[in-house]
Amino acid sequence: EPEVTQTPSHQVTQMGQEVILRCVPISNHLYFYWYRQILGQKVEFLVSFYNNEISEKSEIFDDQFSVERPDGSNFTLKIRSTKLEDSAMYFCASSDGGHFSGNTIYFGEGSWLTVV
Amino acid sequence: RKEVEQDPGPFNVPEGATVAFNCTYSNSASQSFFWYRQDCRKEPKLLMSVYSSGNEDGRFTAQLNRASQYISLLIRDSKLSDSATYLCVSEGGGNKLTFGTGTQLKVEL
Repeated sequence: EPEVTQTPSHQVTQMGQEVILRCVPISNHLYFYWYRQILGQKVEFLVSFYNNEISEKSEIFDDQFSVERPDGSNFTLKIRSTKLEDSAMYFCASSDGGHFSGNTIYFGEGSWLTVV
Repeated sequence: RKEVEQDPGPFNVPEGATVAFNCTYSNSASQSFFWYRQDCRKEPKLLMSVYSSGNEDGRFTAQLNRASQYISLLIRDSKLSDSATYLCVSEGGGNKLTFGTGTQLKVEL
């Protein structure tokens, strides 16, 4: 089965540092997403990306966050100046169409970010 | 009020038991609903979509009641491998999924 791959699987960073989380979505997919899950809490939507632009973002996705699809295969999430409360599992996901159209959203295994 | 609300559990059941989870949602504009399964520190995986007519996939049955804004999941003949957290999820358009906090299931010998 095709899969979404994410790197790194775990990253520890100092508060204030920039972090880039990388994702390779499934190759024929058109929609890309980032979600996060703080330990012990629910999975939360951050941003969706389609046709090389952000299609929707949540209140969590403030100016310190950005996404990019630099080369047609990778999809990255950048956190400019990390805070302690950014510590979470970050899930990348992709789909080839809208979920409401019966298209499944596939999640990667996640990147654990620990900010110290 | 939480957008998607679930009983966190845990539900501890013996192998072979039938267990039911419920979920309510507050956004009446939500279009689609799903049950995802999440193992400890792993990614969510789609278990099944939920339709008003009800749908069944093997031992799993899901039901949606739009009038009551209520979703259910029934697991029959539960197995040890069913132990996981079950996430109730709604989609309100734009491919944005809203997750509940999840219901933890532990199936025991």
